[in-house]
Amino acid sequence: AQSVTQLGSHVSVSEGALVLLRCNYSSSVPPYLFWYVQYPNQGLQLLLKYTSAATLVKGINGFEAEFKKSETSFHLTKPSAHMSDAAEYFCAVSDGGATNKLIFGTGTLLAVQP
Amino acid sequence: DSGVTQTPKHLITATGQRVTLRCSPRSGDLSVYWYQQSLDQGLQFLIQYYNGEERAKGNILERFSAQQFPDLHSELNLSSLELGDSALYFCASSVEGGLNNEQFFGPGTRLTVL
Repeated sequence: AQSVTQLGSHVSVSEGALVLLRCNYSSSVPPYLFWYVQYPNQGLQLLLKYTSAATLVKGINGFEAEFKKSETSFHLTKPSAHMSDAAEYFCAVSDGGATNKLIFGTGTLLAVQP
Repeated sequence: DSGVTQTPKHLITATGQRVTLRCSPRSGDLSVYWYQQSLDQGLQFLIQYYNGEERAKGNILERFSAQQFPDLHSELNLSSLELGDSALYFCASSVEGGLNNEQFFGPGTRLTVL
């Protein structure tokens, strides 16, 4: 069965600092990986996705993630945090089949301090 | 705004009752997904429909059922409600059910069972 593990349920950074949100996956087939963001009282928005085309994936709002098979990781990074980045971030995996159902991690709440 | 609408936004009901959550997908999207987000279980995939037919089932209780109508809107029916059913229920839609089709999430329906 596929799964993702997000390390750190809460992460706090200063404005302008590097953002690093960790995600490790477990999959018996080549995984398809996603990062979603959830702002307060809103639905989820796709930040970026990995579908085996390139290991470094660039997304919206300056975020990127690197797929590392040897480490079974798909960590999300952003060079410089903005106050508007404060939100909950979810890593997800899909088997890429006809259903494309998503299996989500437990989420990481990102706080950005001024 | 993702283009996916969900009604109602909030629902408060009592144990043992039955409720119906409604989802209208983005124009042109054929696939609808339902997810449940709770403090205990996190974000879980419940069920997927594609063009009126059930395509995949996840951790959906027997007390829950869903359908997708000819106009492609979907309804999630929850019956014999229990306190533990209190959660945020998301609907997502995509053009088709496959990998290369991003899932767009609605704002959710917050269900409170008292």
